[in-house]
Amino acid sequence: GNSVTQMEGPVTLSEEAFLTINCTYTATGYPSLFWYVQYPGEGLQLLLKATKADDKGSNKGFEATYRKETTSFHLEKGSVQVSDSAVYFCALSGGNQGGKLIFGQGTELSVKP
Amino acid sequence: GAGVSQSPSNKVTEKGKDVELRCDPISGHTALYWYRQRLGQGLEFLIYFQGNSAPDKSGLPSDRFSAERTGESVSTLTIQRTQQEDSAVYLCASSTQVSNEKLFFGSGTQLSVL
Repeated sequence: GNSVTQMEGPVTLSEEAFLTINCTYTATGYPSLFWYVQYPGEGLQLLLKATKADDKGSNKGFEATYRKETTSFHLEKGSVQVSDSAVYFCALSGGNQGGKLIFGQGTELSVKP
Repeated sequence: GAGVSQSPSNKVTEKGKDVELRCDPISGHTALYWYRQRLGQGLEFLIYFQGNSAPDKSGLPSDRFSAERTGESVSTLTIQRTQQEDSAVYLCASSTQVSNEKLFFGSGTQLSVL
């Protein structure tokens, strides 16, 4: 079945450091790929998405490129801020799954001043 | 309301008791989803609703778990005869329609079974 694997956390970085959170997936067909973020005390919210191969999703300085050849959707940001501290979830959805998202286990990011 | 609301935010119960978890989706959202997140693990799909019907119940772990939705609004997830392995955060999400992959999540109910 479809699945998502993320790098384990926690990830601890200093402010202005470069961030990469790895995500790989297994899926039949051509899924859409997502990054969701959960800030402390809040519900998960969509950060960015990509719906086909080579698409790049971007938002709030974060980017991720849909790589079909490596089945990956790594999240990157050039310069993290303390306010980026959160748990990040990679997810996929297939068109015939009724919008059901399959999530990775989440990666906690902690950014220190 | 402005967002997805879940209640209670925390629930502590004794093994063998029944619990009900409630979700109020965003007004007008026809699709509603339940997920479970055990400590240190990813989100595990339980069930989703399109309107008041549940086309996909594939994620419900056992027959102790059931869910219903009424008035295309509030949903209740019921766990009967709770077990310690049921301890988790139960998350509810809604979207404007089933084919819309942008889900809006509530803050969850932390269930602890002693």
